[in-house]
Amino acid sequence: DIQMTQSPSTLSASVGDRVTITCRASQSIRSWLAWYQQKPGKAPKLLIYKASTLESGVPSRFSGSGSGTEFTLTISSLQPDDFATYSCQQYNNYWTFGQGTKVEIK
Amino acid sequence: EVQLLESGGGLVQPGGSLRLSCAASGFTFSSYAMSWVRQAPGKGLEWVSAISGGGDTTYYADSVKGRFTISRDNSKNTLYLQMNSLRAEDTAVYYCAKGEYTGGASAFDIWGQGTVVTVSS
Repeated sequence: DIQMTQSPSTLSASVGDRVTITCRASQSIRSWLAWYQQKPGKAPKLLIYKASTLESGVPSRFSGSGSGTEFTLTISSLQPDDFATYSCQQYNNYWTFGQGTKVEIK
Repeated sequence: EVQLLESGGGLVQPGGSLRLSCAASGFTFSSYAMSWVRQAPGKGLEWVSAISGGGDTTYYADSVKGRFTISRDNSKNTLYLQMNSLRAEDTAVYYCAKGEYTGGASAFDIWGQGTVVTVSS
């Protein structure tokens, strides 16, 4: 089974900050990685797929990069609506999620 | 509008059974693989099961293999999850999710609102 490890688990940041979240896979998943945003009591929302492709309607301040085993999600300038939990997901071999990174207000 | 609507959750005793449903609308249901994903209270997302568009291929996480069965009725645009031999650790919000592409594994671009399953005596 492929394991996904995110870091950090919690991130404190302010509006306007540049934020980076890392996701590591236990083996190569090529570029088959997605990022989701989830707010309390709500379903996850797809932000990025295939490691770096922005889902339609997602603001351009979100970007993804990486391939193989190491990936990053970057928010270039954190907005009030961005305080949420972010999860990565591999879909190279079945589907596995990371444990999530909570972005909270500093 | 593309939409998924889950139902069937509730309180069940350990060892009991429950069937979840997910009604789809706004897209050609039979063209897309579908999955169930769950989230235990305060925990991360866990993929549970997936089924191909035609319903002929199914996949399960090890944690539910042999206890859960995924199926679909493309004539009714509905996805199902039959859950048997339920355990306390199956307590979670269960989401259905649509694969983004018509072929091969893909990310999940549309999610339902979730249905709560509680396993407790």
